[in-house]
This record gives sequence, C-alpha cells and structure tokens, in this order.
Amino acid sequence: GAVVSQHPSWVICKSGTSVKIECRSLDFQATTMFWYRQFPKQSLMLMATSNEGSKATYEQGVEKDKFLINHASLTLSTLTVTSAHPEDSSFYICSARDWGGSSYEQYFGPGTRLTVT
Amino acid sequence: AQSVTQLGSHVSVSEGALVLLRCNYSSSVPPYLFWYVQYPNQGLQLLLKYTSAATLVKGINGFEAEFKKSETSFHLTKPSAHMSDAAEYFCASDRGSTLGRLYFGRGTQLTVWP
Repeated sequence: GAVVSQHPSWVICKSGTSVKIECRSLDFQATTMFWYRQFPKQSLMLMATSNEGSKATYEQGVEKDKFLINHASLTLSTLTVTSAHPEDSSFYICSARDWGGSSYEQYFGPGTRLTVT
Repeated sequence: AQSVTQLGSHVSVSEGALVLLRCNYSSSVPPYLFWYVQYPNQGLQLLLKYTSAATLVKGINGFEAEFKKSETSFHLTKPSAHMSDAAEYFCASDRGSTLGRLYFGRGTQLTVWP
C-alpha cells in the first residue's frame, strides 16, 4: 500500500524559532497533500491544501504567514511553523492523495509532535 | 459548517460485544464518507469508505458501515469487539467536493473491557 512519511516524528523547540516538518509520499506521486493539526484528545483540523508547483490553499482562520507550506516536488511537501509559540504545540499530520490509484484514497503520515517551550 | 457529527465521545463495550459508533453527516451534496482509526501517537488508518457504489460498505478488521440517506447517517459497526479495537475512531466527509479535502468529526474513543 501507499506510504506517507513525516520527519521529524517529534520536535522540541524554543519559543520564537522556526520548525520545518517534511511530508513525503514514498511510493507514489502526490500532486495534492493536506496538512492537519490535532490538539490532544481532539479531532483533526484541516489547515491547508498543498498543491505541487502552486501556492497552498489555507482554510479559514489559519495564518498563512505563520504556517508556510511548500510543495516543491511530487513527493514532498513541507510545513514550516514560523516564530513558534507554546500555543503552536500540537500534533501535525499530513496526508497525500494518490491520483494514480483510487481518486478518493488519502494516505496519512504518522504525524509530528511539536512542543514549543 | 459542521460536516459530520459523531454522537458519543466515548463508547465502552465488553470484548465480544457489538460495537456501534455513530456518525451523521450534513451536506447538500451527497458526500463521500470515511471512517478512520487512530492509535495513540500515530497517524490515521482508513477503515472503510463510502463512494456511492454500495450503501453497505465492508472494511478492514471486521468493520462495516451503512450509508442511510434518509437518516443522513453512516454508523460504524462490528459484530464482536476485540481488545485490539480499542482506539480513537473518526468519521470524515469530503462535503461532496472532488478536491479531496476531508473534514473530520470530533472522534469517538472506543474502550474494550475484557
């Protein structure tokens, strides 16, 4: 089956610094990737849709200057949390859509736990 | 706008008992619907999906769900719970769009007692 990886799996950073999270589709090409945020014991909140070669589409209420998304290749999307603050601490999950297979199949990464101190 | 509503944030069953996790959707356009399972500190795994081909959908690990348009429901069931089923379950909808964005319910934590 299709595999999506995320790196790092967990990261601790100091307030004010920036953190980059990578999302890779390992065995398929993903023209579209999605970024979600999950607070403890809560649901996943869609943050943005990442399209290869174009600007990301952000959901309402998500600061695009705070959460920079780049989708430079068909297998890699990155989320950079800029000037991180403790309230940005969360579990970030990406998913990728395999257009070559079932058009309604999304594959999720294992998530990245971000802790901002 | 709320796309899916999961009734019951926690469900507890005994091992071997029926599992029923409820999900209702709200969409003016018939959506595609999904059930995902999440184990602690892990990503999501697809259990099953409804894409209008058949109203009764069978998934992995013995789970199934039935799409009922008249009730706007897509409840998840399993005839006999196993200890390994204990996890968080999420219902999701694409709101009838083909863009691929998924909108998740609040989740239901399933506990299975021995």
